[in-house]
Amino acid sequence: DQQVKQNSPSLSVQEGRISILNCDYTNSMFDYFLWYKKYPAEGPTFLISISSIKDKNEDGRFTVFLNKSAKHLSLHIVPSQPGDSAVYFCAASSGGGADGLTFGKGTHLIIQP
Amino acid sequence: DGGITQSPKYLFRKEGQNVTLSCEQNLNHDAMYWYRQDPGQGLRLIYYSQIVNDFQKGDIAEGYSVSREKKESFPLTVTSAQKNPTAFYLCASSLVAGGLLKTQYFGPGTRLLVL
Repeated sequence: DQQVKQNSPSLSVQEGRISILNCDYTNSMFDYFLWYKKYPAEGPTFLISISSIKDKNEDGRFTVFLNKSAKHLSLHIVPSQPGDSAVYFCAASSGGGADGLTFGKGTHLIIQP
Repeated sequence: DGGITQSPKYLFRKEGQNVTLSCEQNLNHDAMYWYRQDPGQGLRLIYYSQIVNDFQKGDIAEGYSVSREKKESFPLTVTSAQKNPTAFYLCASSLVAGGLLKTQYFGPGTRLLVL
């Protein structure tokens, strides 16, 4: 049973436009959410996180939105740049979260010139 | 320069052989984690440790073992009992302040291949 779902395996966006990556979760105990960016054969790089007490967190070009009632979060990248092309993973944790993260399967973002 | 190092980058295992993957961090993080990634899949938790000399099984611990004798080190052994060990293995660490998780940071990974 997949508790964190990224339903779009890939997404193609034109350079300069907004990229929106979506993530849904089923476990209502999750209270901390993170987005990671990953290149092939490398470890994931932390991008941005959000606690369940907030509904938005912004860091430069990256904004994460959390809709707890819908159990949905999204990552917005504005404007999209060629270097943003990578696989993006959504992850979640519960109860303080020291017992590890639950990851989605990832979305491959392709930024087209 | 603080960070997480994993070695080797590539590792080959023969049938019936145990192999150990190294993970070291100099970030003074309390917690360390091992994940496995398979093609087209997300990361799955194998084992984690919140303090020295203590560790817990994750979602897919069968066929793996770990130790946490030092805060900086969390080696993972892939035993012969692991029937499908070919994967990309990722180590991570995080602070655990006041019982709350802080962001996990990942090492560069080790790719394990079975000969």
